[in-house]
Amino acid sequence: EVQLVQSGAEVKKPEESLKISCKGSGYTFTNYWIGWLRQMPGKGLEWMGTIYPGDSDSRYSPSFQGQVTISADKSINTAYLQWSSLKASDTAMYYCARRGETTGKFDYWGQGTLVTVSS
Amino acid sequence: EIVLTQSPGTLSLSPGERVTLSCRASRSVLSSYLAWYQQKPGQAPRLLIFGTSSRATGIPDRFSGSGSGTDFTLTISRLEPEDFAVYFCQQYVSLPYTFGQGTKLEIK
Repeated sequence: EVQLVQSGAEVKKPEESLKISCKGSGYTFTNYWIGWLRQMPGKGLEWMGTIYPGDSDSRYSPSFQGQVTISADKSINTAYLQWSSLKASDTAMYYCARRGETTGKFDYWGQGTLVTVSS
Repeated sequence: EIVLTQSPGTLSLSPGERVTLSCRASRSVLSSYLAWYQQKPGQAPRLLIFGTSSRATGIPDRFSGSGSGTDFTLTISRLEPEDFAVYFCQQYVSLPYTFGQGTKLEIK
């Protein structure tokens, strides 16, 4: 069974750093891109970027390029999303999702990590 | 960037009714790289339809997708109580992947 399990909710202050994780199981982790998506409170979905754990090749949305870093450790089947300096506007639910093997649909999703940034 | 516009924003319907949701793209989504997702409160989105009209694993056949070019639809032939949720379309023909703003189905 394919599963993506994300790290738990975080409460941080502005300017703090943060790294959240997404661990895949039940499939060959290195063969599928993993995407990160943001959902702000009461809003829709925004694609932030995608990484291929096999070689750590990554793609970013222009809206998020330079704002976050996506990485992966294939030895432990885990992808990461990190911020070096959080802002209040980063408060949102963040999902990781497996991209289809050959196309960009997201076929399996993590449960989400709620990030709250507040002073 | 391809902008996806969904309509209507909210629909109030009763179980048993048929519903068609619309997703319009700002430019052609070639090769039908269009997906639909369902999201219930407090849950992650779930893939329903990909490639415009292919149902994902385990999705009941009351869900169907169609369309081409810039106009796509998701049809639920007979609403079940568990279908009341928010539905998003997504294009994956070009980066950045983009989503529509969602259509909320609520019980009348």
